[in-house]
Amino acid sequence: EIVLTQSPTTMAASPGEKVTLTCRASSSVSYMHWYQQRSGTSPKLWIYETSKLASGVPNRFSGSGSGTSYSLTINSMETEDAATYYCQQGSSYPLTFGSGTKLEIK
Amino acid sequence: EVQLVESGGGLVQPGRSLKLSCLASGFTFSNYGMNWIRQAPGKGLEWVASISSSSSYIYYADTVKGRFTISRDNAKNTLYLQMTSLRSEDTALYYCARHRGWFAYWGQGTLVTVSS
Repeated sequence: EIVLTQSPTTMAASPGEKVTLTCRASSSVSYMHWYQQRSGTSPKLWIYETSKLASGVPNRFSGSGSGTSYSLTINSMETEDAATYYCQQGSSYPLTFGSGTKLEIK
Repeated sequence: EVQLVESGGGLVQPGRSLKLSCLASGFTFSNYGMNWIRQAPGKGLEWVASISSSSSYIYYADTVKGRFTISRDNAKNTLYLQMTSLRSEDTALYYCARHRGWFAYWGQGTLVTVSS
């Protein structure tokens, strides 16, 4: 099983601040996918195949990485970006998610 | 518009069974793999099971293998999850999701509570 470790677990950022969330895989994966989940709502696909933004995702978001190390970056934090972000690998079964990073607004 | 609507959740005693359904619309259901993913209260996401478009390939998480069965009826655009021998640790919001390596669309979830 590929274990995904996200860091930090929780963080707070000020409006306009640059934010980077990381996801490390216990074995190499081909791609990483990211989801945003706001409180009380279903997760939404946010970034797929490492760097492709899902429909409607603002271009202040970006994704990068390869092998075992991936990241999601917000160029300039906005209030609406406060949420929990999960990474997910689809390279091998069992499919796995990271434990999430809760991003709060400062 | 893609829609996934789960149903069938509820309160069930430990050891009993429950069957969840997910009605899909807005896309050609028979062309896509489908999945069940769950989220325990206040916890993260856990993949439960996958089924390919024609039901040829089925996979389960170790935590549910031998107790849960995923199936689909392409004529009815419906995905199912038969859950048996339920345990308290199966308490969660169960989502169905359309799959192509990533989960592009999710339902709103159906809550399963296992308690005596």
